[in-house]
Order: sequence, then C-alpha cells, then structure tokens
Amino acid sequence: EIVLTQSPATLSVSSGERVTLSCRASQRVSSNLAWFQQKRGQAPRLLIYGVSNRAAGIPARFSGSGSGTEFTLTISSLQSEDFAVYYCQQYNKRPPFTFGQGTKLEIK
Amino acid sequence: EEQLVESGGGVIQPGGSLRLSCAASGFTFNGFWMHWVRQVPGKGLLWVARISGDGNTTDYADFVKGRFTISRDNAKSALFLQMNSLRADDTAVYYCTRDRSIFGDVWGKGTTVTVSS
Repeated sequence: EIVLTQSPATLSVSSGERVTLSCRASQRVSSNLAWFQQKRGQAPRLLIYGVSNRAAGIPARFSGSGSGTEFTLTISSLQSEDFAVYYCQQYNKRPPFTFGQGTKLEIK
Repeated sequence: EEQLVESGGGVIQPGGSLRLSCAASGFTFNGFWMHWVRQVPGKGLLWVARISGDGNTTDYADFVKGRFTISRDNAKSALFLQMNSLRADDTAVYYCTRDRSIFGDVWGKGTTVTVSS
C-alpha cells in the first residue's frame, strides 16, 4: 500500500498569501496524483488531477506540481473561500487508492 | 447536470447489515468506474471499493473484504454497497464518486452510517 504523508497538518495563513502544501508518497506514483478540497459538511471537490491539471471550474490560483514521490499544491493568493482541508490522493492502476491525512488551512 | 445522490444510511447494531445506494444522473452511467469512499467525522478519507463500468471487475480495501459487496444496475443508473457484519469502526459518512480515468471528478453528498448498540 502506498502511504501519502502531507505536511504540515495545519497551516495558519492570511488572505492574499501564497501557500504551498506538500504530499510525499512512500513509493513512486507516476502521474496519478490528485488534490481535493473539502469544506466542513461538504463532499470533497477535485482540484487537481494528473499532478498538475486543474479540474473543470477550478481557478487558476490553484496549481499542482511534482514527480516521483514529492508533490505540491500551491495556492498563489489565498481567498476567503479557500480555507478548508486539502487532501492528496494517489490512483495508481492497482488499489488501494490511498489519501493523505489532510492539511487544514485556517485563518491566521 | 451530472449528479450522484447516496441513500440508505442509518443506525444499525453491530453485526447487522445495510445496503447503500447511489443514484446517478446527467451522464452515461455504464461508461464509468465507480467508487465508494468513507470518512469518519473529523477524520480523513478512506477508499472502500470500486467497480468497473460493466460490473465485471471489483476491488476492495482489505478492511472490508469479505464483508462488503459493491454492485451496480446500469439499467437504473444505480450503484450499491451491501455492508454485512458491520462493526463500530464502520461508522462513517459514505460517499460514492465517479472515475473517468480521473478519480473523483463527481461526488455525492454522502450518507451517514452509524453502527452502535
């Protein structure tokens, strides 16, 4: 099973700041790496798939990068609606399709 | 609009059974793999099971293998999760989600399962 480790667990930031979230995999995941945003009481929302491709309707301030076992999600200028929990997830061809434990963005 | 709506959650005693449903609309259901993902309130996301578009291939997380069965009825655009031998640690919100070679591009709002005596 591929283990995904996200850091930090919690990040206190202000609106307008640039934010970088990290996700480290226990083994290579090729390009099958996604990022999800989840707000309290809501279902997850796909932000990024294939490491760096924005899903439909996702603002350009969200970007993904990385390769091998190290991946990042960057939010270029944090908006009030971006305060949420963010999960990375790998979906290699063989299950289980594991998620990271999440990074919570909170208002400073 | 592409939509998934889960139902069937509730309160069930340990050892009991429950069948979750997920109704799909707005897209060609049989063209997509489908998954169940669960989340204990306040905790992270956990993949549970998946099924191919034709229903012939299924995979399960180890912690539900032998207890849960994923299935689908393409004629009714419906996905199911039969859950047997339920345990307290199966308590969670259960989501269905679509996979078009991109995991999780559409999600339902979830249905809550509580296993408690």
